[in-house]
Amino acid sequence: QSLLTQPPSASGTPGQRVTISCSGSSSNIGSNTVNWYQQLPGTAPKLLIYSNNQRPSGVPDRFSGSKSGTSASLAISGLQSEDEADYYCAAWDDSLNGYVFGTGTKVTAL
Amino acid sequence: EVQLLESGGGLVQPGGSLRLSCAASGFTFSSYALSWVRQAPGKGLEWVSAITGSGDGTYYAGSVKGRFTISRDNSKNTLYLQMNSLRAEDTAVYYCARRQLGRFYCFDYWGQGTLVTVSS
Repeated sequence: QSLLTQPPSASGTPGQRVTISCSGSSSNIGSNTVNWYQQLPGTAPKLLIYSNNQRPSGVPDRFSGSKSGTSASLAISGLQSEDEADYYCAAWDDSLNGYVFGTGTKVTAL
Repeated sequence: EVQLLESGGGLVQPGGSLRLSCAASGFTFSSYALSWVRQAPGKGLEWVSAITGSGDGTYYAGSVKGRFTISRDNSKNTLYLQMNSLRAEDTAVYYCARRQLGRFYCFDYWGQGTLVTVSS
């Protein structure tokens, strides 16, 4: 059972803004930075956002992250068909002394 | 170019053992902490284990503690996961992942994964 809760799905038409939430607790999101991973169908996960809102080199600026308290969110501004994927939030958990992933959100471009 | 290449997956009976390997290239292997992350068929990601760059620190998820052992050989640029007492619920694609240098805990490179199937 994951300690980070995400909605199972999100969708939008191309060009729309889509937001995904990630709810945690004081031992994970509340104490540590949040990362987001994108997993395209049939491929390995890819780091999309780290340290709450930082984009690795090569990640388009339509992806942005934020964190407040024990929750975080990922926004995709200007959804594109190639953004159809599963998205996972993640953070270190001080109580478990381990890394925890969110339940995952499948994004669909309508 | 950073590359992580897993191997060693396959079909194993419940209660059996398997050792996974992850061959790394394109970076100074001993400088980086590494992890194993798994994904059961049709399910989400689950962190399994981590090891420091020197190998003197190891961490495990509660679901595998006491059954799995992570290790590394810095002379061979290879990460390992010894899996014992395997259960059906250990069936998954196992990825090795490199922790980004610095104070932020995240994985900046991933392998392509190797499938482990536990079934009689």
